[in-house]
Amino acid sequence: AQTVTQSQPEMSVQEAETVTLSCTYDTSESDYYLFWYKQPPSRQMILVIRQEAYKQQNATENRFSVNFQKAAKSFSLKISDSQLGDAAMYFCAYRSVNNAGNMLTFGGGTRLMVKP
Amino acid sequence: EPEVTQTPSHQVTQMGQEVILRCVPISNHLYFYWYRQILGQKVEFLVSFYNNEISEKSEIFDDQFSVERPDGSNFTLKIRSTKLEDSAMYFCASSEGQGVGEAFFGQGTRLTVV
Repeated sequence: AQTVTQSQPEMSVQEAETVTLSCTYDTSESDYYLFWYKQPPSRQMILVIRQEAYKQQNATENRFSVNFQKAAKSFSLKISDSQLGDAAMYFCAYRSVNNAGNMLTFGGGTRLMVKP
Repeated sequence: EPEVTQTPSHQVTQMGQEVILRCVPISNHLYFYWYRQILGQKVEFLVSFYNNEISEKSEIFDDQFSVERPDGSNFTLKIRSTKLEDSAMYFCASSEGQGVGEAFFGQGTRLTVV
């Protein structure tokens, strides 16, 4: 079974600065998908960014980018120019390509605080 | 923008009672899911549903749980006899199908068992 680990329970960043959230995963599969979800205080899960494992190019979405290191099984999220609205729980998630159920396996989350 | 909607937003129930959590997935989506998040813990997969049947379920999804798509729009999670440890946030999600397409989550139902 796949596992996802987020080693930073909490992180803080100054507004307008850059922060990187870590995620590692364990899998024996060669093809899979990785996601970062944001959970603000409203508790709704919102997709931030996704990465297909077969793509070498790191995904980017505006101020959000990932550093995907397949050999190291690492998938970190970089948030540039941090804004107060970025404060939330961030969850890394894994999904197998071969899994019929399409389920997501989540890490334990990192709480990001943004200081004005 | 289409969204997944869940009702109610908060439900309080007595231990041993049955509860039904309701979800309306995005209309053209084919896969439906339930996840739960016990306060302060990670989000855990419960069950996925495709083509009117369960496609996968976790160890958490025991005989106390069931899912149903009673009509073309609703997707429900039933807990037959609630326990204190069922208190959690329950998220419904849906996705178009296989592939990298994202799962869209509802806003969650907070279930409190007393």
